[in-house]
Amino acid sequence: EIVMTQSPATLSVSPGERATLSCRASQSVSSNLAWYQQIPGQAPRLLIYAASIRATGVPARFSGSGSGTEFTLTISSLQSEDFAVYHCQQYNNWPPGTFGQGTKVEIK
Amino acid sequence: EVQLVQSGAEVKKPGESLKISCKGSGYSFSSYWIGWVRQMPGKGLEWMGIIYPGDSDTRYSPSFQGQVTISADKSINTAYLQWNNLKASDTAMYYCARHWGPHDYVPFDPWGQGTLVTVSS
Repeated sequence: EIVMTQSPATLSVSPGERATLSCRASQSVSSNLAWYQQIPGQAPRLLIYAASIRATGVPARFSGSGSGTEFTLTISSLQSEDFAVYHCQQYNNWPPGTFGQGTKVEIK
Repeated sequence: EVQLVQSGAEVKKPGESLKISCKGSGYSFSSYWIGWVRQMPGKGLEWMGIIYPGDSDTRYSPSFQGQVTISADKSINTAYLQWNNLKASDTAMYYCARHWGPHDYVPFDPWGQGTLVTVSS
């Protein structure tokens, strides 16, 4: 089973600043990596797939990069609606299509 | 519009059985994998298992194999998650989610709204 590790667990950022979230896989997942945003009380929402492709309707301030075992989600200028929990998921090798433990982005 | 609508919240006692549902609409239900994801209170997402409604091919995470049963009825576009012997540790939010495309190596999109299961004596 592939283990996904996200860091940091919590990221404190001021509105308008840049946020950089990391996700590491225990073995290569190629580019089969997704990022999801989860606002409290809501279901997760797909943000990025194939490591770097924005899902439909996702603002351009969200970008993904990486391949193999190291991945990054960058939010270029945080807006109030971006404060949420972000989960990465590998879908290269399932079952299971493992998720990371999540990174909470909170207001500084 | 592609949509997954889950059944409502449940409160059960330890040892009881439960079956929750996820109804798909707006697409060819038989042609897309549907998965189940657990989120325990204040925790991350856990991939439980997945089913292909077209032929009922089902795969489980080793962590959930034998603990739950996933099924689907393609005649009514509905997938199910079932427990035969609930434990307090099954208390969680459960989401269903569809594979984004009719392929194997794709993420989940969309997601259902979630079903909260509470197990307490």
